[in-house]
Amino acid sequence: GEDVEQSLFLSVREGDSSVINCTYTDSSSTYLYWYKQEPGAGLQLLTYIFSNMDMKQDQRLTVLLNKKDKHLSLRIADTQTGDSAIYFCAETGNQFYFGTGTSLTVIP
Amino acid sequence: EAGVTQSPTHLIKTRGQQVTLRCSPISGHTSVYWYQQALGLGLQFLLWYDEGEERNRGNFPPRFSGRQFPNYSSELNVNALELEDSALYLCASSPGGADTQYFGPGTRLTVL
Repeated sequence: GEDVEQSLFLSVREGDSSVINCTYTDSSSTYLYWYKQEPGAGLQLLTYIFSNMDMKQDQRLTVLLNKKDKHLSLRIADTQTGDSAIYFCAETGNQFYFGTGTSLTVIP
Repeated sequence: EAGVTQSPTHLIKTRGQQVTLRCSPISGHTSVYWYQQALGLGLQFLLWYDEGEERNRGNFPPRFSGRQFPNYSSELNVNALELEDSALYLCASSPGGADTQYFGPGTRLTVL
C-alpha cells in the first residue's frame, strides 16, 4: 500500500473541467481523500469518499472511485484561476499514504 | 474554532544541529501526525501519536523522534541534522486514529 500515484502536471483553460487521477494500492483503505495545497501553505481538505461509495459530488467537485481498479479521480467543474494548486490524493487504512501531488495550472 | 497551529514558521539550522518543531492540534483531537515534504516530493509519513502514545512510524531513521503531551500537543525532534532534512514539516490532527486529518501551515526547515 505504499504507492499512491498521480500524474505530476495538469494544465487547463479557465472555465474547462479538470480531472485529476490517482491510483492506490491498499485495498483496506476505508477513506480516500483529496487535499489542495497552495504555494507555501499547508494542506486543505477538499473532500473525501468512503470506500463503499462510487461517487460523491460537492458543488464543483466530483469524486469517482473505482475500487476494482483502485482508481480515484477528482473532477473540478468550471475551473477557475484560484484552483491553481497542487492536489494530493491520500488513503488511510492501516497506514497513511499520500500521492506525489498533481500540479494544476489554470490558464486565463 | 482554531485550526492546527505549528511553530516556528521558518527555521534555519546548520548540519549536525538539533531542532524541535511544535504542533497544537484542533481542540478535541487526540491524534497528531507528522509529515515531511521535501522540495519536489510528496508527503512522507513520519509519525503518528494518539493519546500520548506513538502508534505508527514511517520509514525514517531514529534521529527523527517526537512525543505527545497530555494536552495532545506534540513535538518533533530531529537530531544530527543533514542537508537533506531541509523540507516543509507538516503536522495534522484528527479526532481519533485513521480519521480525517486536518493540516497545519507547516514549518519550513532549512539546513545549511
